[in-house]
Amino acid sequence: SQTIHQWPATLVQPVGSPLSLECTVEGTSNPNLYWYRQAAGRGLQLLFYSVGIGQISSEVPQNLSASRPQDRQFILSSKKLLLSDSGFYLCAWSTGLAEAFFGQGTRLTVV
Amino acid sequence: KQEVTQIPAALSVPEGENLVLNCSFTDSAIYNLQWFRQDPGKGLTSLLLIQSSQREQTSGRLNASLDKSSGRSTLYIAASQPGDSATYLCAVIGNNDMRFGAGTRLTVKP
Repeated sequence: SQTIHQWPATLVQPVGSPLSLECTVEGTSNPNLYWYRQAAGRGLQLLFYSVGIGQISSEVPQNLSASRPQDRQFILSSKKLLLSDSGFYLCAWSTGLAEAFFGQGTRLTVV
Repeated sequence: KQEVTQIPAALSVPEGENLVLNCSFTDSAIYNLQWFRQDPGKGLTSLLLIQSSQREQTSGRLNASLDKSSGRSTLYIAASQPGDSATYLCAVIGNNDMRFGAGTRLTVKP
C-alpha cells in the first residue's frame, strides 16, 4: 500500500540552529514530492516540489532548502533557523493522475 | 502560476443544513482536483478526488463537482453534523505542482 512517513511530529529549535526534516514514501515509484508550510490559521504555502531525483523547484526565496537524494526521499533543511520559520510543515506526494497523499506533519517552533 | 481561491473563508450553520463550499482556479490545464479536510492542529484527510475528465464524485453525504472550463469546483455537504466542523481545503493538481486554496472553516452548531 501507499504510505508516507514524515518525522519528527514536533520539534522545538533555537534561533540559528540547523534543521532537517525527512519524508519518505512507500508503495510507488517516481512520485512528485512536495513540501508545504502552514502558518497558524493560514492556508498551505507550497515551498518546494520535485519531479525526480535531484530536481527541486523552489516557490519562494527563503531560509530553507530541499533535496531529493533518492527517488522516495525528500528532505527539508535550513542552516540557520529564523523565528519566522515556525509553522506546520507537511510533506506530500502524488503521481499526477491519482490522489495526493500527505504525511502527518511536523510542528516546528523556533524559540 | 495557478491561483486557487476558496469562498467563503468561514461558514457557521446549524446542524442538519445542506451547504456548498466553493473553489475556483485560474488555469484550467489541471490533472485533478482534490478536496481535503483538516481538523485543528492535524494533518490533511482526503475526502474526494475528481479527475479532469470527470464532472463529479460522491462519497456518502459529500458530493464534489468540477467545471474545468470555468475553473470552478464545489463541495456539497448534505445534512451537516457537528462532526463535520473542520477546515476544508481544495487542491488543484497540475502536471508538476499541487496548489491549495486558503480553505473554508466550517462550524456546524448542534
